[in-house]
Amino acid sequence: DVKVTQSSRYLVKRTGEKVFLECVQDMDHENMFWYRQDPGLGLRLIYFSYDVKMKEKGDIPEGYSVSREKKERFSLILESASTNQTSMYLCASSLQDGGYTFGSGTRLTVV
Amino acid sequence: AQKITQTQPGMFVQEKEAVTLDCTYDTSDPSYGLFWYKQPSSGEMIFLIYQGSYDQQNATEGRYSLNFQKARKSANLVISASQLGDSAMYFCAMRGADSSYKLIFGSGTRLLVRP
Repeated sequence: DVKVTQSSRYLVKRTGEKVFLECVQDMDHENMFWYRQDPGLGLRLIYFSYDVKMKEKGDIPEGYSVSREKKERFSLILESASTNQTSMYLCASSLQDGGYTFGSGTRLTVV
Repeated sequence: AQKITQTQPGMFVQEKEAVTLDCTYDTSDPSYGLFWYKQPSSGEMIFLIYQGSYDQQNATEGRYSLNFQKARKSANLVISASQLGDSAMYFCAMRGADSSYKLIFGSGTRLLVRP
């Protein structure tokens, strides 16, 4: 089975800190995605990547950046965390035109 | 622009009854795919069912079926014989035909199954 692993289940960070959320998949998927999930808003796409070193902005990229140096790893970076970035963050991966596999999520609280 | 709309923030259903969760979508792509996911309180996203825009028949997977009405741009999820374990958030999502393969999600419906 494809596994998508997010490094932290729960994270608490201070305002202004630089935050790294890591996501690793083990099945050689080309596409990787970062979403944030907020009540009443569903999942909103932050960034995605369809190849190593390639990245594309999603619907809400402001305040975030990403890095994909290796095919299996896709990192989400909060350059200077703010309280409005408190949310659940979900990583996903997929083959071209294939099914999607999600990680179990990271619940980030910024205080 | 693509959009998914789920108009039911929350629903109740009696155990063993059927329930329909609504989903409408908007896209100008002739080719697209529609997905339903279940998210229990643990937070994982569980794939339930998929419908391609050119599929002639409505998709079914066990107790899940997708009522696909292309002209109305609706893709409702039907769960038959509800079980207590069906209590969860349910998300409808769409993938367009562009090369990004990104999924666009609706806001979700929280389903509570009553014993």
